[in-house]
Amino acid sequence: EVRLVESGGGLVQPGGSLRLSCAASGFTFSTCAMAWVRQAPGKGLEWVSGISGRDGKTYYTDSVNGRFTISRDDSQNTLYLQMNSLKAEDTAVYYCAKYEDGSMGHNWGQGTLVTVSS
Amino acid sequence: QSVLTQPPSASGTPGQRVTISCSGSRFNIGINSVNWYQHLPGMAPKLLIHSNIQRPSGVPDRFSGSKSGTSASLAISGLQSEDEADYYCATWDASLKNWVFGGGTKLTVL
Repeated sequence: EVRLVESGGGLVQPGGSLRLSCAASGFTFSTCAMAWVRQAPGKGLEWVSGISGRDGKTYYTDSVNGRFTISRDDSQNTLYLQMNSLKAEDTAVYYCAKYEDGSMGHNWGQGTLVTVSS
Repeated sequence: QSVLTQPPSASGTPGQRVTISCSGSRFNIGINSVNWYQHLPGMAPKLLIHSNIQRPSGVPDRFSGSKSGTSASLAISGLQSEDEADYYCATWDASLKNWVFGGGTKLTVL
């Protein structure tokens, strides 16, 4: 059974940093592309970043490019999102999601809440 | 403003058929497959349809997807109260080099 478990969310001040983790199990993590998707309060889903399985190529939405870094540790079956220079508008529930054959979101974690506030 | 356009709301009575539209462009829906997700508050999103028309195992055949040109649709037949949720379309945008979502459609079962 595919399982994705996010952690690392919390309250952080504007300008601060946070690292999210997503522990994966039940599939061959190293060959699987992964993504982070967020939902701000009262808003819809927004794709934040993705990383390919084979060559580790990374992609970011414009609003986080240069501030967030997606990475993976295939030896630990874990996906990360390093978030720097956080802004109030980054407040959201962050989900990790698994790709299959280029198709995003076949499996999702339960999400972790990030609140950016002073 | 979302890259993909969905109606903000839809509704139907139990047993009815409802459709939710998703409009995009030649950079996204026009050249790539569309996925549909169901999202209940406080829960993880769930994949309903991938590759325009494919249902993952476990998704009832009451849910069906279609695509034509730069638009896609999700149809739900035999509407049930548990179908009340938010529904999102998504696909890869070749110009933005991002996955893009629709703004979401809140389905109410009357």
